[in-house]
Amino acid sequence: KAGVTQTPRYLIKTRGQQVTLSCSPISGHRSVSWYQQTPGQGLQFLFEYFSETQRNKGNFPGRFSGRQFSNSRSEMNVSTLELGDSALYLCASSPGQGYLNGYTFGSGTRLTVV
Amino acid sequence: GENVEQHPSTLSVQEGDSAVIKCTYSDSASNYFPWYKQELGKRPQLIIDIRSNVGEKKDQRIAVTLNKTAKHFSLHITETQPEDSAVYFCAASRSGGYQKVTFGTGTKLQVIP
Repeated sequence: KAGVTQTPRYLIKTRGQQVTLSCSPISGHRSVSWYQQTPGQGLQFLFEYFSETQRNKGNFPGRFSGRQFSNSRSEMNVSTLELGDSALYLCASSPGQGYLNGYTFGSGTRLTVV
Repeated sequence: GENVEQHPSTLSVQEGDSAVIKCTYSDSASNYFPWYKQELGKRPQLIIDIRSNVGEKKDQRIAVTLNKTAKHFSLHITETQPEDSAVYFCAASRSGGYQKVTFGTGTKLQVIP
């Protein structure tokens, strides 16, 4: 059974540019959550998608957005990149609503903004 | 919203000793508390979890305890080994609807051979 796949693994972007990250959840999982991981802040929740709808959103500016497709794959977009956006972006897959048996994380996309 | 505090931020122990990591949460409605281990350069992986109807759970050298009244839960690792060296994250969430999982800030555990 394939795990959670995130692409690309690494990205280097320039300030002001935009970036799109992709996450394919485990087959059959309908919920995808996104987290930003930085050394000082741990895992910060960005948003969760279920059945193509954003169900929860963290405290990030509007430059951070996402979407989910009918096959449950999800993308997140960051526009007008800032140096502080440099981080590891992790997506987490779970079967869905009310599921309380833990996430399966992808390997992440490491974004560096220069 | 939920707030999870985790202590200590770093922990060094001698191989064979025990390690304890503590977390507190703010939302009394939280009822699920997973722990994740993240080795260097790897993804976080679920190692153990506990639900609010249970006070303690063990899995070999790992145990988690939950005190609902005090709103805190702890991870206990006994007979630590070098491969236990990693960053550990606690988390809290609640069932019903589309809840988000709130993570603690992590504890970097170093097991010294």
